[in-house]
Amino acid sequence: KQEVTQIPAALSVPEGENLVLNCSFTDSAIYNLQWFRQDPGKGLTSLLLIQSSQREQTSGRLNASLDKSSGRSTLYIAASQPGDSATYLCAAEGSYSSASKIIFGSGTRLSIRP
Amino acid sequence: EAQVTQNPRYLITVTGKKLTVTCSQNMNHEYMSWYRQDPGLGLRQIYYSMNVEVTDKGDVPEGYKVSRKEKRNFPLILESPSPNQTSLYFCASSLFLGVSGTEAFFGQGTRLTVV
Repeated sequence: KQEVTQIPAALSVPEGENLVLNCSFTDSAIYNLQWFRQDPGKGLTSLLLIQSSQREQTSGRLNASLDKSSGRSTLYIAASQPGDSATYLCAAEGSYSSASKIIFGSGTRLSIRP
Repeated sequence: EAQVTQNPRYLITVTGKKLTVTCSQNMNHEYMSWYRQDPGLGLRQIYYSMNVEVTDKGDVPEGYKVSRKEKRNFPLILESPSPNQTSLYFCASSLFLGVSGTEAFFGQGTRLTVV
């Protein structure tokens, strides 16, 4: 059974720092690994999608990597800003119990201090 | 604009009063699903649909029904809501599932309170 874990659960850093959010998964047979951002009480906004054949994806100040062999993905945020404060969720899409599913981690709540 | 639209955004209802939360996508996606999000439990899948008239249970289907009569719509039905169904609900869609490179899109959420 796929399990997706995100550590730490919460992170607070001063503005301007570069930071890394971690996501680990137990079953490496995934189709996609997707990172989302969620603001309090709001919906999920897709940030980056990494296909199973890819190693990383970049969008602006965000870079996500995927290492299926070790069951890890990281989201790198460069030059953090207060507007980056949100909860970041990773999700692994794969085939589990004969059905394709998206399994979410519990998220990392990020706070950027001005 | 590509989007998944849920309605209503907020709903307070009483125990036992049937309700429907609508979900519509404008991307001609085949796959749609419903999740609930609860503190400490994360996002859990309720039901999903691989295509029109094809639905299946997710991890927490008890107390919910769905239908997929047309590709764009996937309503979530609570026949007799109970307080333990108080939660934040999300609808999601994807062109396909189980295919590398297909991105999942989420609605803005429906906050349901059952008293």
